[in-house]
Amino acid sequence: NAGVTQTPKFRVLKTGQSMTLLCAQDMNHEYMYWYRQDPGMGLRLIHYSVGEGTTAKGEVPDGYNVSRLKKQNFLLGLESAAPSQTSVYFCASSPARQGLSNQPQHFGDGTRLSIL
Amino acid sequence: SQQGEEDPQALSIQEGENATMNCSYKTSINNLQWYRQNSGRGLVHLILIRSNEREKHSGRLRVTLDTSKKSSSLLITASRAADTASYFCATSPAGGTSYGKLTFGQGTILTVHP
Repeated sequence: NAGVTQTPKFRVLKTGQSMTLLCAQDMNHEYMYWYRQDPGMGLRLIHYSVGEGTTAKGEVPDGYNVSRLKKQNFLLGLESAAPSQTSVYFCASSPARQGLSNQPQHFGDGTRLSIL
Repeated sequence: SQQGEEDPQALSIQEGENATMNCSYKTSINNLQWYRQNSGRGLVHLILIRSNEREKHSGRLRVTLDTSKKSSSLLITASRAADTASYFCATSPAGGTSYGKLTFGQGTILTVHP
């Protein structure tokens, strides 16, 4: 059972270049999330999706775009990379809310992105 | 902004000892979750405690929640070297439209020496 798979695992970009990070989940989860993790900090939410065709902004959305054309995939795009976007990016998914309770999230192993 | 504040930032203990980590938060929650992150890996869910629960156990893990103080603690009993990792608390906000979003603390780095 693969769970949440992120590609690529590592990438080095030059300032101004663009790229897309791919997240795929095989658990039929409704919700998907993109986070960034910087040294000494917890995770900060960039964008999220509550279902196929939907996206919404999180805490730190500037400089990023997302798309969810298929339920199992959630793409994170950097249109013009900046050094401040050097980080580790994590994708997560979770089932939709059940009753009164939100559900735990399942994480991929991250994409380590360096922007020179 | 970060919802959770974790204490201590780093904890170093010997194998067999207990490890206690604390988390404080600011706003009303639906639930509070603890995650573990091994070096170079993604986060793994450990335990979820709902706002109407005060204590929960899972194997060697014990979590308490005090909503009046807006705080939680994670106790790992009889620690093993394999418990070495970063531990994060994450809060799910109260209300019906949070869509499972979580706000994470900065984490506690636990080192267990053999």
